[in-house]
Amino acid sequence: DQQVKQNSPSLSVQEGRISILNCDYTNSMFDYFLWYKKYPAEGPTFLISISSIKDKNEDGRFTVFLNKSAKHLSLHIVPSQPGDSAVYFCAARSLNSNSGYALNFGKGTSLLVTP
Amino acid sequence: ETGVTQTPRHLVMGMTNKKSLKCEQHLGHNAMYWYKQSAKKPLELMFVYSLEERVENNSVPSRFSPECPNSSHLFLHLHTLQPEDSALYLCASSRERSGELFFGEGSRLTVL
Repeated sequence: DQQVKQNSPSLSVQEGRISILNCDYTNSMFDYFLWYKKYPAEGPTFLISISSIKDKNEDGRFTVFLNKSAKHLSLHIVPSQPGDSAVYFCAARSLNSNSGYALNFGKGTSLLVTP
Repeated sequence: ETGVTQTPRHLVMGMTNKKSLKCEQHLGHNAMYWYKQSAKKPLELMFVYSLEERVENNSVPSRFSPECPNSSHLFLHLHTLQPEDSALYLCASSRERSGELFFGEGSRLTVL
């Protein structure tokens, strides 16, 4: 059963505008959320994260918002640039009593920023 | 060299072959992971090693056999795979198991 869902497989945005990538989760025990970015033929790279005790974290053009009551988080990229074109994965951390922390990933959203 | 490196980057094998994927991390981390990425699916955690001890095995078929000889190296031994095992296999490492993973570039596996 998928606990982290990215319901939009793809998104196209014009350069300079805002990109909003969404992620929903079902497990209220997740305590930490991360966004990863992946270019073709490369591994995912960490982009930004947020603790469950916060509702916003900002790093330059990237801001992640967390709405715990709705079990929803979003990644905002402003302004979007062509180099932001990549697949973005949402991940959520859970604690397993036997094996420790684990990350649960969504399927990813492919972002295309057009000039 | 820095980060997490995986070899080979591409591998084509028959169903009766035996091959291995290799991962090496130069970050001083003590946890290493194998993930599988299939088309249109989330990244699936396969194995976790913490301090060279396997701490998680997510119901992975025995035709996949991991090995962690030390904290810097991780292998995935492959034997009698099926075509549906074709996927991108990603290695990652982290400092302890606190969350942020550093991924390698992946090994693209095709099983004929």
